This record gives sequence, structure tokens and C-alpha cells, in this order.
Amino acid sequence: EAEVAQSPRYKITEKSQAVAFWCDPISGHATLYWYRQILGQGPELLVQFQDESVVDDSQLPKDRFSAERLKGVDSTLKIQPAELGDSAMYLCASSRNRAPEAFFGQGTRLTVV
Amino acid sequence: GQQVMQIPQYQHVQEGEDFTTYCNSSTTLSNIQWYKQRPGGHPVFLIQLVKSGEVKKQKRLTFQFGEAKKNSSLHITATQTTDVGTYFCARGGSEKLVFGKGTKLTVNP
Repeated sequence: EAEVAQSPRYKITEKSQAVAFWCDPISGHATLYWYRQILGQGPELLVQFQDESVVDDSQLPKDRFSAERLKGVDSTLKIQPAELGDSAMYLCASSRNRAPEAFFGQGTRLTVV
Repeated sequence: GQQVMQIPQYQHVQEGEDFTTYCNSSTTLSNIQWYKQRPGGHPVFLIQLVKSGEVKKQKRLTFQFGEAKKNSSLHITATQTTDVGTYFCARGGSEKLVFGKGTKLTVNP
């Protein structure tokens, strides 16, 4: 069964350092999402791509966060510099065009110390 | 504006009891999706509702979409320990996929 792949699974970084997360969506899925989930809360949408174009990044803290999906396939989310408050689970999800179901990856658990 | 509100935030039940979580929006929804996240896991899609007044069932789970398409509910009949997790509603479709804060269900065996 096809899955959304994310790496790394866990990341510990010091504040002010740079950190990057990678996501490989299910093959053929045009829509890709990056979410941040703080423990005990719902996923918060950071950025949504349709192919290589950003559909929505209104909640992305652009002073420190960036996301790209250059070839419309895999995607990278970067934080520079990391802050203590960035500690959270970062989830990637993908879906087919005109299909409701978003498939989530296992996520990257980020701890900033 | 685009938020969906869920209540209750937490629910603890005895195994065999029923459970309901509610999702409300101040604006009309084109559709509503429901997801389940097991402890330590990632959200998994359960269902999408599109039509006003729609009711869908999946075994012991019943999903409803309000007539005004501003609210939805998920009802679980006779809960089991396997139902433990957090249930999220999300507004989506052609819009960005925005999640509520979820209802965390715990079941006492």
C-alpha cells in the first residue's frame, strides 16, 4: 500500500540552528500539505501545494519557515533559525485532485533545545 | 472565519457506552471530513460529507451533516477500547484543509 514518506522521524536541534524536513507524497498526488501539530491540539496547516505551486501559506511564519516543491513531487520544509516554540510534530499529507481523502505520513517529531 | 469548532475537547466513557462529538462552523461548509488519530499515530481519513442533511454509517460510527451545512456530528454506538483516539473534523474540498482541535476519546474497559 502506498504511503507518504517523511524523514527524519525524529530531530533534536539547538535553538538558532537550521533544520529541514523532507516529504515524498504518494505517487500521482498533486496536492501536498505541511501541518504542524502541537501535542494535544489539532493539525495546523502551514502550507498547501498544488503541483509545484503554493495554494496557501497564510499560516506559514515566513520570517523563519520556507517550503518548496520544485518538481511538483517531493517537498522540503525548512526552519531557520529554530526557536523553542517550534517543538512539535510536523506532518506531511497528500491527496489526489478532486479527491477528499488526505493521506498523512508518520511525521517528524522536532524538539528544539 | 475558516475555523471549525469541536466539542467536547475530552470525553471519557465506559466501554459499551455511546459517544458523540460535534463540529460547528460559523460559515456554510462545502463539505466536512472526519479523521481519527490513534495515540502516537497520524490522522487517518474516515469519511467525507457533502450534502445537506447527509447521514453516513460505518459499522458503529454514524456521521451527520446538518441541514444548513454548518455543523456535523460523529456518533459511536457501544464504544470499544479500539475506538480510543482523537477525532477531528476538517473543512476541505476545493478549499484548504483546515482541522478542528479534536475530541479526545478515552474508553475504560
